[in-house]
Amino acid sequence: DAGVTQSPTHLIKTRGQHVTLRCSPISGHKSVSWYQQVLGQGPQFIFQYYEKEERGRGNFPDRFSARQFPNYSSELNVNALLLGDSALYLCASSVQGPGNTIYFGEGSWLTVV
Amino acid sequence: GENVEQHPSTLSVQEGDSAVIKCTYSDSASNYFPWYKQELGKRPQLIIDIRSNVGEKKDQRIAVTLNKTAKHFSLHITETQPEDSAVYFCAASIGYGQNFVFGPGTRLSVLP
Repeated sequence: DAGVTQSPTHLIKTRGQHVTLRCSPISGHKSVSWYQQVLGQGPQFIFQYYEKEERGRGNFPDRFSARQFPNYSSELNVNALLLGDSALYLCASSVQGPGNTIYFGEGSWLTVV
Repeated sequence: GENVEQHPSTLSVQEGDSAVIKCTYSDSASNYFPWYKQELGKRPQLIIDIRSNVGEKKDQRIAVTLNKTAKHFSLHITETQPEDSAVYFCAASIGYGQNFVFGPGTRLSVLP
């Protein structure tokens, strides 16, 4: 079975631009969550979606938004990129909602210049 | 909100020795504690987890212990091998309505 898949794997953006990151969960998983991992730190929670509804939001500015589609895939959008947004963005899926075991994808490496 | 601390930040052991990584959490409502291993440039991979109704769990060379009273949990790796070298993250979750808070990580180096 395929694991969590994310795209793109690497991208470079300029300050002020917008980025969209995409995620497909493990087959049968209905929950997707997004984490930001800055180099040398642990993942930090951004959003969780379960059954297409937002079930949790971390301490991130409104420039960050996300949504989940009917097929349970998800996208994370970041507007007005800042240098500090450079990080590994990890998508994780779980069978059910918050508090259940999550499995990470390989991530999208975002560099903002 | 929940806060997870993790010690040590770096750990070097000789191949075959044991390694112990400790985490503390602040919210007594947390009830699920997974451990992830992340190799350089790779995704975090779940290696073991424990729920608050269990005090200890073991899977071959890896074990996790939980002390709810003291609000700390530990990862134990026995008979370490070079392939155990990686960054290990602990995490805590309160459950429904909340999500995972990760520790800052421990870089484990197993020396041959």
